[in-house]
Amino acid sequence: GQQVMQIPQYQHVQEGEDFTTYCNSSTTLSNIQWYKQRPGGHPVFLIQLVKSGEVKKQKRLTFQFGEAKKNSSLHITATQTTDVGTYFCAGRNSGNTPLVFGKGTRLSVIA
Amino acid sequence: DSGVTQTPKHLITATGQRVTLRCSPRSGDLSVYWYQQSLDQGLQFLIQYYNGEERAKGNILERFSAQQFPDLHSELNLSSLELGDSALYFCASSAQSGVGNTEAFFGQGTRLTVV
Repeated sequence: GQQVMQIPQYQHVQEGEDFTTYCNSSTTLSNIQWYKQRPGGHPVFLIQLVKSGEVKKQKRLTFQFGEAKKNSSLHITATQTTDVGTYFCAGRNSGNTPLVFGKGTRLSVIA
Repeated sequence: DSGVTQTPKHLITATGQRVTLRCSPRSGDLSVYWYQQSLDQGLQFLIQYYNGEERAKGNILERFSAQQFPDLHSELNLSSLELGDSALYFCASSAQSGVGNTEAFFGQGTRLTVV
């Protein structure tokens, strides 16, 4: 079945440093989504990428979808303590199949 | 507030028992997903319902079952509980139109502890 792998599992950064998490799928995806889960909270949708090679930005966050639509990345510039949490990527094979989540990258930011 | 309601928030029960988790999706969303989140295990997809019918099955144990009712709320039934079933169970809903905005909205989760 479809698998979505995410690395690294954990990342500790000093406040102000950049952070990147990578997501790889065993199959071609129709779209990929990113979610953030704060400690003790529930996953919250950040963004969806649909097109091959797509790049989207949200303030300090940059999301990329690979040309082959099998990988994606999330880059955070100049991390802040508010960025703490676990970032999940989630992919779909087609529009009506369930989201398969990666195991997430837990980000800690040291002030 | 995501608009997805899960009850109860916490549940403590003994091994061998049976529990029911309830989820009310966002107004208008036809699709409901159940996920299990154990420590360091990410979100494991269990099952999906769309407009009352089972749409997809993931890593759901035979001891677990779910259904979606005509009013679109869903219930996840967990039976013959084992210690390893202790986890956070999330329900999510989406419009599932296949195009446009198909993001999933998650509830606050039910934390199940089996003792």
